[in-house]
Amino acid sequence: DAGVIQSPRHEVTEMGQEVTLRCKPISGHDYLFWYRQTMMRGLELLIYFNNNVPIDDSGMPEDRFSAKMPNASFSTLKIQPSEPRDSAVYFCASSLFTGELFFGEGSRLTVL
Amino acid sequence: AQSVTQLGSHVSVSEGALVLLRCNYSSSVPPYLFWYVQYPNQGLQLLLKYTSAATLVKGINGFEAEFKKSETSFHLTKPSAHMSDAAEYFCAVSVGSGGGADGLTFGKGTHLIIQP
Repeated sequence: DAGVIQSPRHEVTEMGQEVTLRCKPISGHDYLFWYRQTMMRGLELLIYFNNNVPIDDSGMPEDRFSAKMPNASFSTLKIQPSEPRDSAVYFCASSLFTGELFFGEGSRLTVL
Repeated sequence: AQSVTQLGSHVSVSEGALVLLRCNYSSSVPPYLFWYVQYPNQGLQLLLKYTSAATLVKGINGFEAEFKKSETSFHLTKPSAHMSDAAEYFCAVSVGSGGGADGLTFGKGTHLIIQP
């Protein structure tokens, strides 16, 4: 299996621009998670889906952030408009109901 | 809410020495506990997990961890450190019935440094 695939691996953008991060989970996994990692706050769970349905988005920092999962093989995390404090590494992870999370390699976002 | 505390943001050991990374959890119900490792510029990968089957859990790369309810601890150990063990280690907890399928709460991480 190819594992969890994220794109882009690196993104540099200017404040105010829209950013879209993409994730392809492992085939057959029915849970998908978005995490954000920063030096100051560590790993934070932003949102997770079960069978393409958002279950808990309480970690989404504010309305500028949105996530979708239109089908079982694709999810997006969008930031609009982006701000410098959004600079972080964003991880997507997927799992079966048994709970072991498989992480992608992350998308490093820099907002200037 | 559940939480984990990792004691020591950096731990340095000599190659061949014992590795001990500390993790304490807080949970009002029996937890599921995990250790993950992150190498530079990579995602996290599972080292081992505790799901109540046995208190001593063996993982990959020679690591193991022991669940101690009385101490609310889940410390990670390895008898002999190898240079390739240098990485960031995260302890995580879930109290969901799915054994982590409802998302994990991670500790701040411990950076393991191996001295030659």
